[in-house]
Amino acid sequence: ETGVTQTPRHLVMGMTNKKSLKCEQHLGHNAMYWYKQSAKKPLELMFVYNFKEQTENNSVPSRFSPECPNSSHLFLHLHTLQPEDSALYLCASSQWTRIHNEQFFGPGTRLTVL
Amino acid sequence: QQPVQSPQAVILREGEDAVINCSSSKALYSVHWYRQKHGEAPVFLMILLKGGEQKGHEKISASFNEKKQQSSLYLTASQLSYSGTYFCGTSFTGNQFYFGTGTSLTVIP
Repeated sequence: ETGVTQTPRHLVMGMTNKKSLKCEQHLGHNAMYWYKQSAKKPLELMFVYNFKEQTENNSVPSRFSPECPNSSHLFLHLHTLQPEDSALYLCASSQWTRIHNEQFFGPGTRLTVL
Repeated sequence: QQPVQSPQAVILREGEDAVINCSSSKALYSVHWYRQKHGEAPVFLMILLKGGEQKGHEKISASFNEKKQQSSLYLTASQLSYSGTYFCGTSFTGNQFYFGTGTSLTVIP
């Protein structure tokens, strides 16, 4: 595997379900990101992890819970989502050197909440 | 704090040039440019840092005006492969990072 991978690629869930999105980077980076991309809206940064420590949480509802067990893996745990949470969820990684460097994106998970 | 891009959309014929602008209401530390083709992930094009340093692809050029808090991406002699949505991303102090509203670019034969 190379680059940034995300699983699953597509997910349909009900509002009462609990699911998790997984992201893995094979680039040796030390920072990972979760973004939400809705139709006709810009990419929204949700969470940033530098060296496994969460450094940014842009007022994301608590029904989204990130987890970064090591610098190569990032999860987004989902529970009791709303239909407006349907979107493309993108993971990215970069080499943090006190600035946001070039970000490499995964293919995304297309989430549909019924 | 989200940067504003202009134009929102542009259609070019092959070989024509285009400029995409990105404006911020806050002092910028760095500006990134990415291109996203339909159904694909964004791909990095260039980063411009406060102080003048640039990193990116040789065929892409951009400017960063720190005083005006603006950046422009220059696409010359456009090719069909340039089609996609272009996003600027801006960072300030700390870890905040915001993507712009996007510019849809379509190159036609």
